[in-house]
Amino acid sequence: AQSVTQPDIHITVSEGASLELRCNYSYGATPYLFWYVQSPGQGLQLLLKYFSGDTLVQGIKGFEAEFKRSQSSFNLRKPSVHWSDAAEYFCAVIEGGTSYGKLTFGQGTILTVHP
Amino acid sequence: GAVVSQHPSWVICKSGTSVKIECRSLDFQATTMFWYRQFPKQSLMLMATSNEGSKATYEQGVEKDKFLINHASLTLSTLTVTSAHPEDSSFYICSAKDHTGGTEAFFGQGTRLTVV
Repeated sequence: AQSVTQPDIHITVSEGASLELRCNYSYGATPYLFWYVQSPGQGLQLLLKYFSGDTLVQGIKGFEAEFKRSQSSFNLRKPSVHWSDAAEYFCAVIEGGTSYGKLTFGQGTILTVHP
Repeated sequence: GAVVSQHPSWVICKSGTSVKIECRSLDFQATTMFWYRQFPKQSLMLMATSNEGSKATYEQGVEKDKFLINHASLTLSTLTVTSAHPEDSSFYICSAKDHTGGTEAFFGQGTRLTVV
């Protein structure tokens, strides 16, 4: 069965610093990969997704992620964090060809931003 | 972008009562909707897949008689938590996929259920 691991439960960075959130997946074929952000008590907003093609994908709010097949990773990055980026971030995967709503989520990483 | 609305945003109910949560796609039609549950400080877990006009498909370990799902139209799916107990207190989130295609499922804002 496919699985998603986010090794960091909680990350704290200073405003303006760079950010990298880690995500590793376990799946035989090339999965479809997503990053979502969730503010407290809110639903999920899609930041970016990877299906195929260029392994570096750009998303909203200045985020990007890089798919590395050799490392089974899909890490999320941002060059300069803003205080408004404080939230919880989820990496998710679906099996290629299956319904795009049936997602398997990682455990989530809580991001705290210090002024 | 497409909008999915959940109602209510939060609800408190007494133990033993039933609660209905609605998930509506406001500007698109969704033959398939998904219901997730998120316990505090945990990730989202898929509970069931809701199919318009047919029975829902439940994930392993989810009691179909306790979590009743109805998807009677292309824009509405409901989740009813029957005989709710405090351990059912959770954050329930739905998502919906546009039936015309596309690669994204859109999420509602979630419903915080507290059973007292």
